[in-house]
Amino acid sequence: ILNVEQSPQSLHVQEGDSTNFTCSFPSSNFYALHWYRWETAKSPEALFVMTLNGDEKKKGRISATLNTKEGYSYLYIKGSQPEDSATYLCAASGGSYIPTFGRGTSLIVHP
Amino acid sequence: NAGVTQTPKFQVLKTGQSMTLQCAQDMNHNSMYWYRQDPGMGLRLIYYSASEGTTDKGEVPNGYNVSRLNKREFSLRLESAAPSQTSVYFCASSGELMTGNSGYTFGSGTRLTVV
Repeated sequence: ILNVEQSPQSLHVQEGDSTNFTCSFPSSNFYALHWYRWETAKSPEALFVMTLNGDEKKKGRISATLNTKEGYSYLYIKGSQPEDSATYLCAASGGSYIPTFGRGTSLIVHP
Repeated sequence: NAGVTQTPKFQVLKTGQSMTLQCAQDMNHNSMYWYRQDPGMGLRLIYYSASEGTTDKGEVPNGYNVSRLNKREFSLRLESAAPSQTSVYFCASSGELMTGNSGYTFGSGTRLTVV
């Protein structure tokens, strides 16, 4: 079971602000890093899966980067909107290929 | 709509009762998983099935059993429910154990309360 840490635990921003949060994981024996968006009363929805050092992925205003050598991934949201309010989960997998989930970052975007 | 279907959505059990949570996916995925989610904790893996006919323990398997009935269905059974099993349970599936491209697809969850 990997030790996957997410920071910050929660974040309040104003509409239009850009924001980012971090996922840290052990850099040894790394296989893949997942990001999920989890809205209240819904199920987690996959945003990105990244496997290669230096990977960058983008979906609309949301992007993510991966550094496997130092064991971290950043998720960026440009120009936050109230509908971006959700918990953002990351999950990292190693040799077993089964991801271990972090506790998530709760984002609240105020109009 | 294609996806992962879990039943029931809500359940209240008395301590010692048994029940089975059902999960079915129609995406022709090989791998299926059961997670529980508790306040302040991340999603924790209970059991998984890498492919039809195989099941393996995850991080928190005690008190649970699973059955991979066929490629579509993966059920989770609580033989003798305990208050510590009060949680929200999620079923998920993926094309392969090694989810190189698409990640997991999750069901809508089952909120279980054991009194």
